[in-house]
Amino acid sequence: NAGVTQTPKFRILKIGQSMTLQCAQDMNHNYMYWYRQDPGMGLKLIYYSVGAGITDKGEVPNGYNVSRSTTEDFPLRLELAAPSQTSVYFCASSLGGPNEKLFFGSGTQLSVL
Amino acid sequence: QQQVKQSPQSLIVQKGGISIINCAYENTAFDYFPWYQQFPGKGPALLIAIRPDVSEKKEGRFTISFNKSAKQFSLHIMDSQPGDSATYFCAAIGGAQKLVFGQGTRLTINP
Repeated sequence: NAGVTQTPKFRILKIGQSMTLQCAQDMNHNYMYWYRQDPGMGLKLIYYSVGAGITDKGEVPNGYNVSRSTTEDFPLRLELAAPSQTSVYFCASSLGGPNEKLFFGSGTQLSVL
Repeated sequence: QQQVKQSPQSLIVQKGGISIINCAYENTAFDYFPWYQQFPGKGPALLIAIRPDVSEKKEGRFTISFNKSAKQFSLHIMDSQPGDSATYFCAAIGGAQKLVFGQGTRLTINP
């Protein structure tokens, strides 16, 4: 049982480049989330999804886009990368809502130079 | 913006001691308070959680104490071990609010 799988683990981007962070879960969870983690700032919600075809903005959505075409996959798209997007990104999932146990992936460390 | 304020930012405890991390919240609609544990290079993992109908929840060496009137909750780690060295995040959710995380506490247990 793989749980939540994120790829890549590390990436360096140049300013203005684009990329997609991949996230997949094999637990048949309805809810999926993208967080970013910055030192001393905790985890901030970027986008979330309550099921295939349904996505909504979190606390810090600017500069990002998501899609949820299947229950399993929830990719995060960065368009026109900026240094402010340097962070560690975590994907998570839960069976019900966020008031249940969240299962996190191991993260993607992204640097924008 | 709804916040959860966590303290201290870092904490060093001797092996066998008690580690205490505190969190305070503002929104009285919060009704679920989880704690997540994160080891370096890994994603956070749920450690223990409490709902406000009880004042304390204990799981092994980990205890959450909850003070509804003060809008505060804390994590106590009894008999702290070097393997407990990690970053701990409190969080809260309730009503129409999304899950909000505290800033994190880096805990180091010295052998």
